[in-house]
Amino acid sequence: ILNVEQSPQSLHVQEGDSTNFTCSFPSSNFYALHWYRWETAKSPEALFVMTLNGDEKKKGRISATLNTKEGYSYLYIKGSQPEDSATYLCAFHTGGFKTIFGAGTRLFVKA
Amino acid sequence: GAGVSQSPSNKVTEKGKDVELRCDPISGHTALYWYRQSLGQGLEFLIYFQGNSAPDKSGLPSDRFSAERTGGSVSTLTIQRTQQEDSAVYLCASSLTGDSYGYTFGSGTRLTVV
Repeated sequence: ILNVEQSPQSLHVQEGDSTNFTCSFPSSNFYALHWYRWETAKSPEALFVMTLNGDEKKKGRISATLNTKEGYSYLYIKGSQPEDSATYLCAFHTGGFKTIFGAGTRLFVKA
Repeated sequence: GAGVSQSPSNKVTEKGKDVELRCDPISGHTALYWYRQSLGQGLEFLIYFQGNSAPDKSGLPSDRFSAERTGGSVSTLTIQRTQQEDSAVYLCASSLTGDSYGYTFGSGTRLTVV
């Protein structure tokens, strides 16, 4: 059974703190990993698509790294802002249409 | 439409009642997916439609769940005789090609069964 684990489940930080969380996935049959940002009552929004071992992607204050050999990806947020509060989902693709999502890390940023 | 539209956004229903959730995908997207997220769980695949092909229903948790997609566009997810464990956020997504890239999600329907 393919399983995607995200940790921590939730995280409370102060505005200005930098933070990171982890997505662990099977190291075999890897095709791609997606990170999504999901604000309450809104649609999940794609942040990054990562396909190659060693990939590093950056979008503003948010960046992500990928290690397909050991089966993990890190998402980093530098200088967290209240508007970063959301659930961050990772999704593991094996090349078919089914995608396995993690349970998400719920981030709360306090002003 | 410009995005994936889901309705209702919130639904509270009594145990044992039937509910219908609607998804209106992006025009031209051939693939449509239903997922749900129960409290503390990951997004769980429910069903996948691709063009005129038979849908993949392998994720439906019980025979109380069914879905259809009319005319290759709007989809309806029906839950009969709802149970409390059906409470979740039900997300619909569409994709141009159905290869798991380029998902566009709706904002979900939060279903609460009391």
